[in-house]
Amino acid sequence: QVQLQESGPGLVKPSETLSLTCAVSGYSISSGYYWGWIRLPPGKGLEWIGSIYHSGSASYNPALKSRVTISVDTSKNQFSLNLRSVTAADTALYYCARVAGMGVLGYWGQGTLVTVSS
Amino acid sequence: DIVMTQSPGSLAVSLGERATISCKSSQSVLHSSNNKNYLAWYQLKPGQPPKLLIYWASTRDSGVPDRFSGSGSGTDFSLTISSLQAEDVAVYYCQQYYSTLWTFGQGTKVEIK
Repeated sequence: QVQLQESGPGLVKPSETLSLTCAVSGYSISSGYYWGWIRLPPGKGLEWIGSIYHSGSASYNPALKSRVTISVDTSKNQFSLNLRSVTAADTALYYCARVAGMGVLGYWGQGTLVTVSS
Repeated sequence: DIVMTQSPGSLAVSLGERATISCKSSQSVLHSSNNKNYLAWYQLKPGQPPKLLIYWASTRDSGVPDRFSGSGSGTDFSLTISSLQAEDVAVYYCQQYYSTLWTFGQGTKVEIK
């Protein structure tokens, strides 16, 4: 059974960097698939942040591209999100997911709430 | 960007009754090369991982009860719960994966009347 678990600080100060990690169990990232990050701001809809292949090839939402880096660590079977220069608008529930081909999000983590506030 | 518009924003249905959610895309998500609609539906419940229900607009994911069905093509889609159960209370989202920028609808909250 594939499981994903997000971890990271729940509170980040404005202008700082939001860093989250997604630990994967039940499947080896190096075996394939894309792995992605999605967020759900309060009172809004889901927003795709970006995805990465096990080889390290990544794609990002153009609206966030200048501030986002997604990386993968196959030795630890995890992938990470860095979002720079955060503002209150980046406050959201952040999810990681496995992309089941073509863009379908087949497995998700439970999500972690990140609040941007001083 | 392909804009996904869901309606209604919220829906209250009696147990055992039908619930239908609409999702419209700002441009067609039907790919001519394979005649597939690049449209998925997800169920979100608080404190739980989101769940994939439907992909290719009408294919149920493994283990999804058959009371959930997806239909539509091109720009107009719907998700139907044929007989609402208490455990179906959730927020439902449609998503297009036709373009390289995947986008979601704003969500529809389904409650018990």
